[in-house]
This record gives sequence, C-alpha cells and structure tokens, in this order.
Amino acid sequence: DAGITQSPRHKVTETGTPVTLRCHQTENHRYMYWYRQDPGHGLRLIHYSYGVKDTDKGEVSDGYSVSRSKTEDFLLTLESATSSQTSVYFCAISPSGATYEQYFGPGTRLTVT
Amino acid sequence: GENVEQHPSTLSVQEGDSAVIKCTYSDSASNYFPWYKQELGKRPQLIIDIRSNVGEKKDQRIAVTLNKTAKHFSLHITETQPEDSAVYFCAATTRNTGNQFYFGTGTSLTVIP
Repeated sequence: DAGITQSPRHKVTETGTPVTLRCHQTENHRYMYWYRQDPGHGLRLIHYSYGVKDTDKGEVSDGYSVSRSKTEDFLLTLESATSSQTSVYFCAISPSGATYEQYFGPGTRLTVT
Repeated sequence: GENVEQHPSTLSVQEGDSAVIKCTYSDSASNYFPWYKQELGKRPQLIIDIRSNVGEKKDQRIAVTLNKTAKHFSLHITETQPEDSAVYFCAATTRNTGNQFYFGTGTSLTVIP
C-alpha cells in the first residue's frame, strides 16, 4: 500500500461537535482527496487539494472544510457534525504529471450520535 | 459534471465462470477509467485501468474494454475464484484540475465455490 495513513481510524462523536480527520502521506504526491463512502452511493468527493494551501470543492462539500499547510498532511474538518455525516471517510493521493492513479488510505469510520 | 452509472449492483457467479460489470459515463471528455476492488472493511485497491486511446487492456484473469463512441466500459473477470468476491467500483475522470474521479455505485460480486 502507498504510504498513506489516516487518523483516527474510528470515532464516535455527538451532534454539534467539531471533528477533524487527518490524512498523512509519505509519498510527496501533489494531489490529495477526501471521499465519503455510503451504501448505495459509492465514493463521493468532498474536497481535494492540488498543492499546499490550494484546495477546491467536490460534489458533496457542504458542511466540510479542509486545510493543507504541508505537502504531507490534508485535514478534513466537520465544523458542527450532523448525523448525516456518519460515514466512512477515505483519503486518497495522486502524483502529478502523466500519472492518473489514485491510492487510498485505510479509512476512518465516523459515527455521529 | 460527469455521471457514472454501474450495473449490476449485485452479481453471483459459480467458481470458474466469468463475471462482467458494466459502466457508462456521460462526459465525452473523460479519458481515464480505473477499476477498484474493495474487500469488506478494507480500502479500495486499484486493479486495472484504461486510457481513452486504448480499446482493451488485460492483466492475467482481468480485462477492461472501452467503447468511446457508446461511452461505456466494462470489467471482465475470467475463471473466477472465491477470493474475487468483493465490491468493484468503476470511475471516470477528465484529468481536469485536480484529476477528480467520479465513481459508480459499486457491484457486489459473490463467487460461489
């Protein structure tokens, strides 16, 4: 597996609390992504980054923010968690240039009660 | 944006038989089509991909075909084995800013021994 870690791997939190998920890579890849995975919906892009401090929204970005202050770290923040944000969150990385492949981290299972 | 549809949602085959999963996409500018395999509780793993300048690609028992005119692509698994049981996802991307992937909703493949 590519050098990608996610933390925490599991989290239970209450509605209305802020939550931050961390993705860390050791591959020095330019692109980083946050997806959520829900039954019947496959993988949906939340936000992505194409460089330090360069981020953009994906198709399901409402209620989420991201930050990337270093190449290796990409943070996903739920400012005020809701039950609809209960999901499995995957980080992915991709190099720049002619390579298109994305490689996924192990995932974070988040439960909002 | 791009819309990827995947069929069937579930597929059961006898061990040794072939399995075929089909995806359609809407954006004619899409030019890269990966397939991921996800075992229960694991991360999605890239198993094969194809670019728009190629019609077919094989890797041992798996193959992918692409029909750009009809905007569909398919995953073919021959001589299926129980370890092929997993959820398979197709995706498409246009290699625009950030190389955003658009995923299908997944096919749960069960290989019956």
